[in-house]
Amino acid sequence: AQSVTQPDIHITVSEGASLELRCNYSYGATPYLFWYVQSPGQGLQLLLKYFSGDTLVQGIKGFEAEFKRSQSSFNLRKPSVHWSDAAEYFCAVGAYDNNNDMRFGAGTRLTVKP
Amino acid sequence: DGGITQSPKYLFRKEGQNVTLSCEQNLNHDAMYWYRQDPGQGLRLIYYSQIVNDFQKGDIAEGYSVSREKKESFPLTVTSAQKNPTAFYLCASSRADGTYEQYFGPGTRLTVT
Repeated sequence: AQSVTQPDIHITVSEGASLELRCNYSYGATPYLFWYVQSPGQGLQLLLKYFSGDTLVQGIKGFEAEFKRSQSSFNLRKPSVHWSDAAEYFCAVGAYDNNNDMRFGAGTRLTVKP
Repeated sequence: DGGITQSPKYLFRKEGQNVTLSCEQNLNHDAMYWYRQDPGQGLRLIYYSQIVNDFQKGDIAEGYSVSREKKESFPLTVTSAQKNPTAFYLCASSRADGTYEQYFGPGTRLTVT
């Protein structure tokens, strides 16, 4: 089965600084990859997804992610962080032959300093 | 507005009691899911259902039960057999056409004492 690792439990960045959240996956075939964001006590909102094609995907709220097959990574980036981006971010990987089998990473909590 | 509703937002129960968490969606999605979220562990799948009157166990189904009598509804019962029921529970839904992305409800925080 596929799996996801988010190496950073907690990241702090200053407002206006750039952001990169790391995600590494393990899966034997081409993965379906997702980034979700969760505000405290809320559900998850989809930021972006990768199924195939262009390896650089754009999402909502100014986020982007790049799929790198050679590194088994799908890192999330934002050029300039806003205070409202403080939240928890989850990377997820789906199996191409079973859309019910979605595996989530443990999450990275983002703190934004003024 | 289309979406997923979960009620209540906070739920308190005494140990030994069964409790049912509600999940309703008006997105016309075929598939629905229940996840459990604990700090530092991400989301773990409890049960999922792809069509009415059918559901499958996920990774941590023990101590939980579900039903899917209507397309819009997928209630989760946390039974007294669940050893550590205190958690944040998330319901999600998706189309069953291979697009995969799941839409999440706002969650229910269950506290059992």
